[in-house]
Amino acid sequence: DVKVTQSSRYLVKRTGEKVFLECVQDMDHENMFWYRQDPGLGLRLIYFSYDVKMKEKGDIPEGYSVSREKKERFSLILESASTNQTSMYLCASSTGTDYEQYFGPGTRLTVT
Amino acid sequence: KNQVEQSPQSLIILEGKNCTLQCNYTVSPFSNLRWYKQDTGRGPVSLTIMTFSENTKSNGRYTATLDADTKQSSLHITASQLSDSASYICVVSHRDNLFFGTGTRLTVIP
Repeated sequence: DVKVTQSSRYLVKRTGEKVFLECVQDMDHENMFWYRQDPGLGLRLIYFSYDVKMKEKGDIPEGYSVSREKKERFSLILESASTNQTSMYLCASSTGTDYEQYFGPGTRLTVT
Repeated sequence: KNQVEQSPQSLIILEGKNCTLQCNYTVSPFSNLRWYKQDTGRGPVSLTIMTFSENTKSNGRYTATLDADTKQSSLHITASQLSDSASYICVVSHRDNLFFGTGTRLTVIP
């Protein structure tokens, strides 16, 4: 069965903290994605990766960075968390852009 | 501008009734159109995926239709169940990009 897991379901951090969100997939997918989801705005792409050590900016990369050292793991980093980064963060993986994306359960991040 | 718009924003129906959700898009050309179901606090799960040449696709009580000429898709839910309460998201694939609708929030009440 397809599986995408995220390190935390809920996270509360203080403004200015460095935050790591981890995503792991067990399907040997080449592509991995990080989205944030906010009410009324839908899913917005932050970063994606087509291969190990490779990353591409999505629509809203500002304030975020990513790391992909291994094929199965894609990390999202908030260098200095701010309150406007309070959101639901979703990780996904796929074999290609035209193929189905499998999503993780999401991490609800609150920055106070 | 490539856009995906869904309607209605929210919908409340009685258990056992049918309903239809709409998705209009301006993305062109597109590779495929997908419908996802997202339960509250969970990640989206794929329901159907249709290519340009497909008009309809079913997944149990869910049937998606596509009219590529008018750039419209609909998701029909038959004999709704309480577990159908969720957000339904329409996603259009265009080259290397995905365009997401903001979703329709469906609530099924007993």
